[in-house]
Amino acid sequence: DIQMTQSPSSLSASVGDRVTITCRASQSISSYLNWYQQKPGKAPKLLIYAASSLQSGVPSRFSGSGSGTDFTLTISSLQPEDFATYYCQQSYSTRVYTFGQGTKLEIK
Amino acid sequence: QLQLQESGPGLVKPSETLSLTCTVSGGSISSSSYYWGWIRQPPGKGLEWIGSIYYSGSTYYNPSLKSRVTISVDTSKNQFSLKLSSVTAADTAVYYCARHSDDILTGCWFDPWGQGTLVTVSS
Repeated sequence: DIQMTQSPSSLSASVGDRVTITCRASQSISSYLNWYQQKPGKAPKLLIYAASSLQSGVPSRFSGSGSGTDFTLTISSLQPEDFATYYCQQSYSTRVYTFGQGTKLEIK
Repeated sequence: QLQLQESGPGLVKPSETLSLTCTVSGGSISSSSYYWGWIRQPPGKGLEWIGSIYYSGSTYYNPSLKSRVTISVDTSKNQFSLKLSSVTAADTAVYYCARHSDDILTGCWFDPWGQGTLVTVSS
C-alpha cells in the first residue's frame, strides 16, 4: 500500500499568516493527490484535486502544488474559518485509496 | 444539488454485522461518470476508505477489510449500502458515504460527502 505522511501533525498560526502543509507519498503518485478540509463534527470537504486544481467554490487563497512524492497545500492568508484539520488523499494505486493522518491547524 | 444521507443503527453488538444505507438525492446514482464509496473515521482519528461501487454493481474494496465488507446498490431507490461483518470495538467510527470520480487522467476524489453517522460497537 502507498503510505501518505503529512507534516506537521499540528500547526498554530494567526489570522493573515501564510501556511503550508506538506504531504509525502511512500512512492511516486504522479499528480493523483487531493486535499480535504474537515471541521469538528462535519464531513470532509474537497479543496484541491489532481494536486493543483481548485474545486469549484473554494476560495482562491487555497492552492496546491507538487508531483511525484512531495506535495504542498498553501493557504495564502489565513481566515478565521480556515482553522480545521486538513487531509491529503492519493488515488494512484489502482482502486486502493489512502489518506494522510491529518494536520490540525489551530489558532495561535 | 447532490446530497447524500447515511442511515442505519447507531449501536451494533460485537461479532454482529453493521448495516448502513446511503440515500442519494438531487441526482441519479446511475450516472455513468461516478462511483459511490464508503469512508470511515474512528473517533479522534483519520480517514479510511472502505470500498466503492458503480451503479452496475461492480465493486472494489480496501484489502484490509475485504473479507468482511459487502457493498451493494439499489438503483430503483437511488441507494447504496454497506455491510461489515464480525465487527469489533475497532470498527467503532463515523461512517461516511460519498460520490467519487474515477478518471484516468485526474484520478479519484470524494465529493460530495454525506454528513456521517456514528456507529458504536458495544455489547
